[in-house]
Amino acid sequence: GAGVSQSPSNKVTEKGKDVELRCDPISGHTALYWYRQSLGQGLEFLIYFQGNSAPDKSGLPSDRFSAERTGGSVSTLTIQRTQQEDSAVYLCASSLGTSGSRTQYFGPGTRLLVL
Amino acid sequence: AQKVTQAQTEISVVEKEDVTLDCVYETRDTTYYLFWYKQPPSGELVFLIRRNSFDEQNEISGRYSWNFQKSTSSFNFTITASQVVDSAVYFCALIKSNYQLIWGAGTKLIIKP
Repeated sequence: GAGVSQSPSNKVTEKGKDVELRCDPISGHTALYWYRQSLGQGLEFLIYFQGNSAPDKSGLPSDRFSAERTGGSVSTLTIQRTQQEDSAVYLCASSLGTSGSRTQYFGPGTRLLVL
Repeated sequence: AQKVTQAQTEISVVEKEDVTLDCVYETRDTTYYLFWYKQPPSGELVFLIRRNSFDEQNEISGRYSWNFQKSTSSFNFTITASQVVDSAVYFCALIKSNYQLIWGAGTKLIIKP
């Protein structure tokens, strides 16, 4: 079946602009995760959703970052007033519920470049 | 605190050689899960294996094998008879609180023809 999809695949923006990144999880997966991959920091957890609720937002780097999920499916990660240090690959994953035994399957990522 | 260490930043071997990627983890949990993912040049993270802390049997899948040893907190990954298509960055990860993957820094594997 279809895997996790993300859009856009690439995004170039100017410092100070807002961006929205979208994630479509695998159908039937109730849990959705956002991670960030950057050269300096490696792979970092940002936030996860169980259904439409986000029990842990502790990984969001600042209050400029927010995320929502609607209908237990699509999720949007929004970065307001982008900064150059936000440049990274933003990865979305989904799984059948949250449990250590549930494998997280990843999308292709959105490569964000802030000029 | 949970932590995953992949000490090998980059490994380069000639095709058909065997290669082992090391992964050492730290956790205080008695039940935990470990993962390996592959990230080819295309960038997408591809799941390879999940191992729970109760199962110390080694796993073999084709040319891939994994050696899990709780006594040394290691979960090493071996590729036998490597191929150019195996070139990628390989990540070891530990799951925290049932949802958050804690990642190693990754090992870049280069297979030369």
